[in-house]
Amino acid sequence: EVQLVESGGGLVQPGGSLRLSCVASGLTLSNYNMNWVRQAPGKGLEWVSYISSSSSTIYYADSVKGRFTISRDNAKNSLYLQMNSLRDEDTAVYYCARLTGVGYWGQGTLVTVSS
Amino acid sequence: NFILTQPHSVSESPGKTVTISCTASSGRIASKFVQWYQQRPGSAPTTVIYEDNQRPSGVPDRFSGSIDSSSNSASLTISGLETQDEADYYCQSYDSSDQGVFGTGTKVTVL
Repeated sequence: EVQLVESGGGLVQPGGSLRLSCVASGLTLSNYNMNWVRQAPGKGLEWVSYISSSSSTIYYADSVKGRFTISRDNAKNSLYLQMNSLRDEDTAVYYCARLTGVGYWGQGTLVTVSS
Repeated sequence: NFILTQPHSVSESPGKTVTISCTASSGRIASKFVQWYQQRPGSAPTTVIYEDNQRPSGVPDRFSGSIDSSSNSASLTISGLETQDEADYYCQSYDSSDQGVFGTGTKVTVL
């Protein structure tokens, strides 16, 4: 069974930093391009960032460009999102997801940015 | 900006059919694959259609996807509507730079 498990969310003050992790089981992450997707409370899904299987291609949404950094460690079957200079509007559930083919999603981790 | 527009909500009785549209603001929707995700309250999204019209194993054949190039839109059709189909549904594709884009989302209510 494929599982993606995110961790690292929590409460952080505006301007602070968090690092999210996503560990895969039942799936060899190195074979797949991966994404981070977020969902603000009561809102729709928003694509955040993409990383290719070899890390050679990376994209960011304009809303996070220059503040967030996506990375992966294929040896650890893991995906990461370093979030700096956090703002109130970054408050959301963050999902790691494979959006191609069948598609897989984690259960999400909640990030709350508030003073 | 590449935007995928969906109706805010659709409602229908059990056993009936609903169709949710996903209209692209620019480009050709047929040039990139479209996926559809179901999200029940309090849960993560799950895939119900991928690559325009493919169903993952375990998704009933009541769910089907299609592309209409003439209207530059994709559609998700749910036939034989069941109460468990009540959820939010999102289409997803890619812009010209291959960056992911989600539709605005549609709430399906089973009356």
